[in-house]
Amino acid sequence: DAGITQSPRYKITETGRQVTLMCHQTWSHSYMFWYRQDLGHGLRLIYYSAAADITDKGEVSDGYVVSRSKTENFPLTLESATRSQTSVYFCASTGHLNEKLFFGSGTQLSVL
Amino acid sequence: RKEVEQDPGPFNVPEGATVAFNCTYSNSASQSFFWYRQDCRKEPKLLMSVYSSGNEDGRFTAQLNRASQYISLLIRDSKLSDSATYLCVVNTGGGNKLTFGTGTQLKVEL
Repeated sequence: DAGITQSPRYKITETGRQVTLMCHQTWSHSYMFWYRQDLGHGLRLIYYSAAADITDKGEVSDGYVVSRSKTENFPLTLESATRSQTSVYFCASTGHLNEKLFFGSGTQLSVL
Repeated sequence: RKEVEQDPGPFNVPEGATVAFNCTYSNSASQSFFWYRQDCRKEPKLLMSVYSSGNEDGRFTAQLNRASQYISLLIRDSKLSDSATYLCVVNTGGGNKLTFGTGTQLKVEL
């Protein structure tokens, strides 16, 4: 499953800074997702994309921006990081919604 | 009501026990259902898809009940290595979203 990579693996930043988390997949999957995981909340959907140039908000999209200019990339930007955005972020992709989701290894973000 | 709900547990069971988890979903139009396993906050991994007719993979059985809008996972003869968090996933919101439940923690003990 090395076809989807996230970077950086760990990131420490300060409140108010802009941060971009990268996600790249090599399968040309149509669907890509960003989730955050916090204790007691499971994985919560931030944004998703059904194809290049098509993105939609998930349940916790406030404070985040995404783009999908190319099928293989789906970067997630925190415009002005807040402490509440300290979390583990997972990117995932799939070719069809009735098929397996492939996950990146996650990015652990700390906002101080 | 949340789109996908699970009992967070933890479920503490002895080795060899049978344990079952349920997951309810709110969107009656949902079509795809899955169970994922997650270890120690690593990336989730697909355990099994859930089909309308129910499906079995070794010690694991998944069922779908559309009338009551829930899916279930049954684990027989629990092993220590089954200790993990089990996440249900449902496609929601018009079909393009995949929404996770909060996960159910299972601890299998000697």
